[in-house]
Order: sequence, then structure tokens, then C-alpha cells
Amino acid sequence: QSVLTQPPSTSGTPGQRVTISCSGSSSNIGSNTVNWYQQFPGTAPKLLIYSNNQRPSGVPDRFSGSKSGTSASLAISGLQSEDEADYYCATWDDSLNAWVFGGGTKLTVL
Amino acid sequence: EVQLVESGGGLVQPGGSLRLSCAASGFTFSAYTMNWVRQAPGKGLEWISYISVSRNTIYYADSVKGRFTISRDNAKNSLYLQMNNLRDEDTARYFCARLKWFGDSPSLDYWGQGALVTVSS
Repeated sequence: QSVLTQPPSTSGTPGQRVTISCSGSSSNIGSNTVNWYQQFPGTAPKLLIYSNNQRPSGVPDRFSGSKSGTSASLAISGLQSEDEADYYCATWDDSLNAWVFGGGTKLTVL
Repeated sequence: EVQLVESGGGLVQPGGSLRLSCAASGFTFSAYTMNWVRQAPGKGLEWISYISVSRNTIYYADSVKGRFTISRDNAKNSLYLQMNNLRDEDTARYFCARLKWFGDSPSLDYWGQGALVTVSS
């Protein structure tokens, strides 16, 4: 059971906009900024969003993040086939003194 | 270019030990807090340990506390994870990850490709 809660799967068609939610608590999302990672099978996670809504250099502006209270979300607009991957939210938990992750959301592009 | 390269994975029997290494290059290793994160086959990411720059702050996940030991050698640009009393449920790919502060926002910004550890008799 992951500390952060994400839907296990979502899907969309090319060009569509999809969102992935991430729910936590006051000790993690409520107190710290949220990161999002993209992971393709057999590869390492790649940082997609940091500080709730900031994109590292090279990440397309189709990807955006937001946070409100103890929840966060990742939005992908103009969905492309190459976006099909697993997405994870993560943040620091002040009570656990640990990084905590969501269980991951598998995005399928139909 | 930032690079993190894990090594030392393999097949080990339950109750056995293994030591993972993570070689860092392309950045000033001694200036960054480092972490280990693992991923069991077909499962999600699980953080397991954290070590500060000067080694004075170390954290472990409850699942590995008392069995795993994180360490680092700043002179060798290397991070280590000593794993003892291994269990079947420790089977996973183990990633080392750099912690970077963007202002007051922490992020695990670079990850290695991982080392596969299989615990099986």
C-alpha cells in the first residue's frame, strides 16, 4: 500500500488531454513540493516535474503539474503515442523521514 | 553529463548478503545527498535509504532497517548499499538517485539504470 494514492491506470486518444491525480496527507504533499516521474519498461525513472509545476530542461510543455492542499495532479495535453508509460508522483514525508511514492499510473494511448 | 552507474547485483540465497555500488560522475558527488530506491518486478517505486553529504544524517525505510546499511566514499565518488539477511521480498532492481534542491524544493533528479538483485534458493 503506497503512501500516496494514484489511479492504477488511465487512457486517452492522440491529441487528447489526460490528468493523473496523486493524493497524500498533511505530512507529505501538504508540507512539501511534489515531483512527477515518467518511466518506460526496463528503464530508470525520468524527472518530469519538480517543485509542483516546474519542468526540467527538455521536457515538453505538454506536461504540467499542479498542487492544492494534500493533492497534486499531472496533466498531459496533446497526447502522443510516445507518452505511453508509467507515471509516479513523489514527495518527502516529514513524519516518516522518507521519500514516498504513489503506486504509479499506467498511461495507455489508444 | 551526470552519470550514475550501479553494480554488484546478482542472485543470492535467502539470508545471504550483497553489496551494491553506485559510481557517480559528471557532478560534484561530495555536494549531494544520495538515495537508494528499489522496484520489485512489475511493481512501483519504493524508497529505501538516504545519506547526507557528510554522512551525519541517514534514514532507512522500515522494510530494510536493521538489515541494510548505506554508506558513501566522497573521495571515490561512490555510494554503497550493504544488504544483509536478504529475503525473497528484497528481489528488485535497485536504483541510486541524486537529491537536488531547487530552492527549497527537493527532487530526485538523476537516477542510475539500476542493479538487479534476485533473492532465491
